[in-house]
Amino acid sequence: EVQLLESGGGLEQSGGSLRLSCAASGFTFTSYAMSWVRQAPGKGLEWVSTLSTSGATTYYADSVKGRFTISRDTSKNTLYLQMNSLRAEDTAVYYCAKKGGTTTPGNYFDYWGQGTLVTVSS
Amino acid sequence: DIQMTQSPSSLSASVGDRVSITCRASQGISNYLAWYQQKPGKVPSLLIYAASTLQSGVPSRFSGSGSGTDFTLTISSLQPEDVATYYCQNYNSAPWTFGPGTRVEIK
Repeated sequence: EVQLLESGGGLEQSGGSLRLSCAASGFTFTSYAMSWVRQAPGKGLEWVSTLSTSGATTYYADSVKGRFTISRDTSKNTLYLQMNSLRAEDTAVYYCAKKGGTTTPGNYFDYWGQGTLVTVSS
Repeated sequence: DIQMTQSPSSLSASVGDRVSITCRASQGISNYLAWYQQKPGKVPSLLIYAASTLQSGVPSRFSGSGSGTDFTLTISSLQPEDVATYYCQNYNSAPWTFGPGTRVEIK
């Protein structure tokens, strides 16, 4: 059974930093691209960042580029999101999501974690 | 970047009704279109990918169609458990944008 368990959220001041973690199990972690998707309170879904299957390529939404860094530790089957220079508009539930399919093109999400809430106070 | 729009933004229908939601991409994305369901207070779940392929375990009353720029999610017979917000997503190329969502309620 695929499981994704996020942690690391909390309350942080504007300009501060947080590191989110996503512990993955139930699948071969290194065979799938992994992503972070966020949802501000009462708002829709926003893709944030993706790490390629190989771990060599990263992708970021313009809204977080230069401030957030996605990475993984394959020995721990864990995905990370380092969030620096936080802003009030980064306040959201952050979901870890697994790419659907190994060889299928594109990047849709077949499994999601429960999410971790990040609140940035100004 | 490809922009995704959805219509309507919300709808209210009776149990057993046929319901359709439209998603439009600002440029052609072939069939790289996914639909997600998010029930109130819950995590999003994948319904459909490749515009029309039902994810395993999803009830057959859900179906998807379309290609290029125009896509449709149809619920053939609305059930109380289908109350949710539905999002489309372009997964053709980064940024992998979502539509704004369509809230479905029971009349």
